[in-house]
Amino acid sequence: AQKVTQAQTEISVVEKEDVTLDCVYETRDTTYYLFWYKQPPSGELVFLIRRNSFDEQNEISGRYSWNFQKSTSSFNFTITASQVVDSAVYFCALHTGNQFYFGTGTSLTVIP
Amino acid sequence: NAGVTQTPKFQVLKTGQSMTLQCAQDMNHNSMYWYRQDPGMGLRLIYYSASEGTTDKGEVPNGYNVSRLNKREFSLRLESAAPSQTSVYFCASRKLYGYTFGSGTRLTVV
Repeated sequence: AQKVTQAQTEISVVEKEDVTLDCVYETRDTTYYLFWYKQPPSGELVFLIRRNSFDEQNEISGRYSWNFQKSTSSFNFTITASQVVDSAVYFCALHTGNQFYFGTGTSLTVIP
Repeated sequence: NAGVTQTPKFQVLKTGQSMTLQCAQDMNHNSMYWYRQDPGMGLRLIYYSASEGTTDKGEVPNGYNVSRLNKREFSLRLESAAPSQTSVYFCASRKLYGYTFGSGTRLTVV
């Protein structure tokens, strides 16, 4: 069975602090993709990153960075120097077969 | 702009009423999906269509039907709406591992 766990339901940080959002996934498939999406208060889903199961190279994009570790089945997301505009719900998702499996999301509030 | 268009954006139904949520994409994608999003539940797959003429059940298909009218359009029908179907519905289309989501339909069943 496929499963994505985002244990952090809500996180609050003060602006300019760093914050890490955790994601743990379960799958027996050897080929899969992992995603992060951002859902701001306006409700749309904004694609952030996609990684395949064969590429464990960590990635940095501006203030965002991702740490993919197959050994622990984790795909964590860090925001450096958080800003108020980062306030949103963040979803981690696993794609395998022909389907997405979403985590329940982490609501991030950045306090000015 | 290219993308996934969902209509309507908001809808209020009475219990027992029927309605169809429309979704259209202009990116020539083969696969299309319907998800529902409930508080604390993430997105859950209702139905998907891997290609024109095919549909398959997802995690939560009960109470819904779908039609893949052509390559562009994938509609979701509620035959007899129930309060448990109050949710935000997202349509998505896919080419390889590139997904595009619509902006969502907020449905309330009273």
